[in-house]
Amino acid sequence: QKEVEQNSGPLSVPEGAIASLNCTYSDRVSQSFFWYRQYSGKSPELIMSIYSNGDKEDGRFTAQLNKASQYVSLLIRDSQPSDSATYLCAVVSNRDDKIIFGKGTRLHILP
Amino acid sequence: DTAVSQTPKYLVTQMGNDKSIKCEQNLGHDTMYWYKQDSKKFLKIMFSYNNKELIINETVPNRFSPKSPDKAHLNLHINSLELGDSAVYFCASSQDAHSNQPQHFGDGTRLSIL
Repeated sequence: QKEVEQNSGPLSVPEGAIASLNCTYSDRVSQSFFWYRQYSGKSPELIMSIYSNGDKEDGRFTAQLNKASQYVSLLIRDSQPSDSATYLCAVVSNRDDKIIFGKGTRLHILP
Repeated sequence: DTAVSQTPKYLVTQMGNDKSIKCEQNLGHDTMYWYKQDSKKFLKIMFSYNNKELIINETVPNRFSPKSPDKAHLNLHINSLELGDSAVYFCASSQDAHSNQPQHFGDGTRLSIL
């Protein structure tokens, strides 16, 4: 059974600090990794995608992937109250191209 | 200029009824999906179609029947609705079915069964 695990939170971070969100996955042949942000009552929207080991930066967001340890993380620098949302980690296996979402981490940025 | 649009936004109906949700994408994508997000916010894939062909069919009761008249549309028909069907249903699309393609989601249909 392939799984994607996230701490459900809530994770409370002061405004301006770095928020660190973590995700682990069980399927070793996973190849594609995504972070989606979902505001309450809204649809998920893509924040970052990452496919190879290392860091990928886009503005205030950095995705980090470590395939050997089977984890992917998302760092949000200079956190803003507007970053308060649920962040969903999604992993796609190279085996069957099926996407599996984690249950999400609720992030709360304290003004 | 909505990329993935689904209707209706809200659906309130009684147990045992049959209902449909429609989805359309204007992104020119080949692949479309239906997801169910339950009260605990767990997002789970139900079906995926690539160029009108069913490619993913997860363990979903056969009361749920997807239909794709063309690659821009993927509708979901649900027969004999049950209380456990109450959830938000999201339609999504991606460029193609390859694993490296991100998905674009519609705004969701909130289904409530009385």
